[in-house]
Amino acid sequence: AQTVTQSQPEMSVQEAETVTLSCTYDTSENNYYLFWYKQPPSRQMILVIRQEAYKQQNATENRFSVNFQKAAKSFSLKISDSQLGDTAMYFCAFMKPHNAGNNRKLIWGLGTSLAVNP
Amino acid sequence: DAGVIQSPRHEVTEMGQEVTLRCKPISGHNSLFWYRQTMMRGLELLIYFNNNVPIDDSGMPEDRFSAKMPNASFSTLKIQPSEPRDSAVYFCASSGDPSRGNQPQHFGDGTRLSIL
Repeated sequence: AQTVTQSQPEMSVQEAETVTLSCTYDTSENNYYLFWYKQPPSRQMILVIRQEAYKQQNATENRFSVNFQKAAKSFSLKISDSQLGDTAMYFCAFMKPHNAGNNRKLIWGLGTSLAVNP
Repeated sequence: DAGVIQSPRHEVTEMGQEVTLRCKPISGHNSLFWYRQTMMRGLELLIYFNNNVPIDDSGMPEDRFSAKMPNASFSTLKIQPSEPRDSAVYFCASSGDPSRGNQPQHFGDGTRLSIL
């Protein structure tokens, strides 16, 4: 069974600095999808970034980028130039490829609470 | 484009009452998910539908919980009778056809349920 582990329950960073959130996962699949979601205090679940396992290039969305290490089964999120609005809970999630059984489910990590300090 | 729409935003009711949560997925999405989030257990998938058919309800806690999706644009999650331990934030999410590539789940704003 697939599992997702976020080893940092809490983190903090100073405004304008860079922070990296870790995520590792376990799967026997070769192709799959990975996601980072953020949940600010407003409780909305917002998609931050996504990565297809067959793509070697790391995904980037503005200040957010990932370091995807397929062999190590690692999918870390880097936030550059941190802003106060980045304060949120961040969840890493895994999804099997579309041709695998029960493929629509996301397997979630327990989250990392990030505080951006002024 | 409208996102996933959930109602009500907040619900406060007394133990034993029936509670119905509603969800309208994004138009064109064919998968719909119901989640529950609590401090103790985090985010739990309760049930998901594909093309209006329940695919996996292994996360539904007990018979007091039921979910329906009568058509592609509407789903309900019902709790009857409700208990204080059902207090949580309930999210609905939808996603498109994964055969078309990476289809992330898009979430509604959630319903905060408080059972007194």
